[in-house]
Amino acid sequence: GAGVSQSPSNKVTEKGKDVELRCDPISGHTALYWYRQSLGQGLEFLIYFQGNSAPDKSGLPSDRFSAERTGGSVSTLTIQRTQQEDSAVYLCASSLALRQGGPNEKLFFGSGTQLSVL
Amino acid sequence: KNQVEQSPQSLIILEGKNCTLQCNYTVSPFSNLRWYKQDTGRGPVSLTIMTFSENTKSNGRYTATLDADTKQSSLHITASQLSDSASYICVVNGQNFVFGPGTRLSVLP
Repeated sequence: GAGVSQSPSNKVTEKGKDVELRCDPISGHTALYWYRQSLGQGLEFLIYFQGNSAPDKSGLPSDRFSAERTGGSVSTLTIQRTQQEDSAVYLCASSLALRQGGPNEKLFFGSGTQLSVL
Repeated sequence: KNQVEQSPQSLIILEGKNCTLQCNYTVSPFSNLRWYKQDTGRGPVSLTIMTFSENTKSNGRYTATLDADTKQSSLHITASQLSDSASYICVVNGQNFVFGPGTRLSVLP
């Protein structure tokens, strides 16, 4: 597609339920990031995928969070046993850069998934 | 600790006026700094990128400055328009991306 696509755009769930958030990056982009954006806070890094390399999971806040990227394209972020503090906007971004923090790396963001845990 | 701070937290101006947003960072090593614009309900979109050797860069009505010695950057918006209402996020790229909390700009008619 023309840009990064995320679904659903909004998700309301009950505490304790599992949720899956989907990201379709720009075709050909090898790098994919997941970020969490809470109200009034800067984007919080969650996980980074680069091609077929092992992902950088250093930002995942707990073992309830996991992510996969199948075939080097679509990615799914899964949150198990959701808690109220998980409520936030989850943003996905993709990039052409071959390494994290490259000098000219430009991130292209999706519109995010607004997650509300009741 | 790598941090990016932005000021003001929020700003309200009248259409047609100019404004300047500030960004201070303590990120090291430093590769580049980007300003992103984030409209409500959308993801951030890159406005400008500045590397260590660049002092000023313009993109239409947006002009970014960088002082690598004092680790400060500013984003100046000239002749503001209603469509400039958004959050502006300063992002410093070192070994990874460090995001500022953003400045929420509201342009009123």
